[in-house]
Amino acid sequence: KAGVTQTPRYLIKTRGQQVTLSCSPISGHRSVSWYQQTPGQGLQFLFEYFSETQRNKGNFPGRFSGRQFSNSRSEMNVSTLELGDSALYLCASSLAAGLGAFFGQGTRLTVV
Amino acid sequence: GQQLNQSPQSMFIQEGEDVSMNCTSSSIFNTWLWYKQDPGEGPVLLIALYKAGELTSNGRLTAQFGITRKDSFLNISASIPSDVGIYFCAGQRINTDKLIFGTGTRLQVFP
Repeated sequence: KAGVTQTPRYLIKTRGQQVTLSCSPISGHRSVSWYQQTPGQGLQFLFEYFSETQRNKGNFPGRFSGRQFSNSRSEMNVSTLELGDSALYLCASSLAAGLGAFFGQGTRLTVV
Repeated sequence: GQQLNQSPQSMFIQEGEDVSMNCTSSSIFNTWLWYKQDPGEGPVLLIALYKAGELTSNGRLTAQFGITRKDSFLNISASIPSDVGIYFCAGQRINTDKLIFGTGTRLQVFP
């Protein structure tokens, strides 16, 4: 069974640009969550989707958005990129709430 | 953002030694999870705990869900070089997949 797949693995963007990251969950998993990891703040929850609905949102500005498609694949978008958005963005999928989550390899975003 | 208190922050041990780390929270969780992360990779789930007092093993790893539901412990026995990495605890509440992570424990194993 394939794991969580995130694309691309690496991205370099310029300040002010926008970026879209993609996540394919484990087959059969309907819940997808996104996290931002930085050296200073650690792993921080961005948002959670289940059956195409956002179920929970972390404390991030509105420049961060996401969506989930009917096949459970998810995308997150960051608009008007800032230098501080440089981070490892991680996607996780789970079979059901409360059962733990499995992570992809992440997308390393560098904003210059 | 919210993070759980995890200690120690780092450990430098000799191969063959046992390791203990713990995680505490000011509020209760329904699920406790332990992950290991290698540089540039995503966290890998090691152990999941679902009931207060539960003790679960995965090979040389043993973790416990604290009775108060506000803490968890991870022990690694007979450490080996491939145990090197950063270990994170994470708490999860009912009806959500949102994980609240600990601050991490960096483990170094010397031969």
